[in-house]
Amino acid sequence: GQNIDQPTEMTATEGAIVQINCTYQTSGFNGLFWYQQHAGEAPTFLSYNVLDGLEEKGRFSSFLSRSKGYSYLLLKELQMKDSASYLCAVRDPNAGNMLTFGGGTRLMVKP
Amino acid sequence: EPEVTQTPSHQVTQMGQEVILRCVPISNHLYFYWYRQILGQKVEFLVSFYNNEISEKSEIFDDQFSVERPDGSNFTLKIRSTKLEDSAMYFCASSYWNSNQPQHFGDGTRLSIL
Repeated sequence: GQNIDQPTEMTATEGAIVQINCTYQTSGFNGLFWYQQHAGEAPTFLSYNVLDGLEEKGRFSSFLSRSKGYSYLLLKELQMKDSASYLCAVRDPNAGNMLTFGGGTRLMVKP
Repeated sequence: EPEVTQTPSHQVTQMGQEVILRCVPISNHLYFYWYRQILGQKVEFLVSFYNNEISEKSEIFDDQFSVERPDGSNFTLKIRSTKLEDSAMYFCASSYWNSNQPQHFGDGTRLSIL
C-alpha cells in the first residue's frame, strides 16, 4: 500500500524559514513532488526530486532521502502569500506512475 | 504560459443525474489525468489516459465513471448516475510525459450533488 505522512498544520512568522516534512512508504518510487494549494484553488507545482539531495528554486528548496523515505520542503523569507497548503505527492511505478498525495500541511504565516 | 482549463467551474446536479466535466489539457501534453478532492480531504487519483485509452485507474473509478477524448483538444469525465458522495472538487491534470514531468492542474470543477 501507499502511505504518505505530513504534519497537518504549521505556523511561522513572516520573513522566517519553515521546513515542512514528508515521509512515505510506497511499493516503488519514481519521484516526489511538492505542490502548493491555496484554499479553493488548484494545486500548483513547486518542485520535483527523484535523486537524493537538495533542489533549490529561489525561495523554495526540496530535499530527498530515498533510503529514509523522507523529503522536506524549505521555504525561506516567508511572505504572507505563502499561507497555503503544501502537498507532498509520490509517483509509484508499481501503481501506473499515478501520484499519491499526502493530506497536505496547512501553513499559516503570521506578521 | 499554457494552462489546463476546466469547465464549468461549478456544477450543481440532482442525485441520479449524469454529469460531464470538461477539460482542455496543455496542447503538447500526452498524458491526462482526473483527480478529485472531497472538501477537507486529500487529493485522490481517479484515472490516467494516454494514447486514447485508460492507462491506470483507481478503486474509486468504478463503472459509473468514464473518460473520453472526443476530439483533439477536449478530455471529459462522465459520471453516469451521481450520488451524494460524488460531491467534490474534480481536477484535471496533464503532463508531457509520465515519468519525470510534473503534472499541471486545472482550476477544478466544484461538483455539488443535491
